[in-house]
Amino acid sequence: EPEVTQTPSHQVTQMGQEVILRCVPISNHLYFYWYRQILGQKVEFLVSFYNNEISEKSEIFDDQFSVERPDGSNFTLKIRSTKLEDSAMYFCASNSVRGGSSYNEQFFGPGTRLTVL
Amino acid sequence: AQKVTQAQTEISVVEKEDVTLDCVYETRDTTYYLFWYKQPPSGELVFLIRRNSFDEQNEISGRYSWNFQKSTSSFNFTITASQVVDSAVYFCALSEAGTGRRALTFGSGTRLQVQP
Repeated sequence: EPEVTQTPSHQVTQMGQEVILRCVPISNHLYFYWYRQILGQKVEFLVSFYNNEISEKSEIFDDQFSVERPDGSNFTLKIRSTKLEDSAMYFCASNSVRGGSSYNEQFFGPGTRLTVL
Repeated sequence: AQKVTQAQTEISVVEKEDVTLDCVYETRDTTYYLFWYKQPPSGELVFLIRRNSFDEQNEISGRYSWNFQKSTSSFNFTITASQVVDSAVYFCALSEAGTGRRALTFGSGTRLQVQP
């Protein structure tokens, strides 16, 4: 069964460093998302991406964040200058436009645990 | 603004007991979607069900059932004859389709512990 994949599974970085989290969405999906989950807390939406541009973003997604689809398969989240409070699990998700609806279930990847020291 | 409330932070039951996880939502939209996701100890998010605001029919899938009531803005999830493998954090989520938003707004989750 097709699935969303994410690399790396765990990233440790120093405060102020740039990190790039990578995702490969399900191949025929058109909408891509990033969410984050600080340890023990709820899952929070960061950004959605469709047709090579950001379609929605939350207040969390400030100028230090950016997303890109550099090729036909990868979807990346870049954090320019990491802060301690960026430590979290970052989930990528994708969904299709099955049956004419883009509100189908979002399929989540296994997550990348980011630890900022 | 949209909001999802899962008032039960943690529930502990003994295997074979039935358990209901509550979810109350707030939205000004008339068109929206509700979801339940399971997060087992391994950490991934597993989709369980999607419901749109025009479909109040309850759904049963094996030991799982969902009760959607627009009158009380609730979308509760019942596990019948719980098993140890049901131990996980369960999240209810909302997507407001009327505004064109696809972002999921999650509740804070309910941690279910099923004891053998």
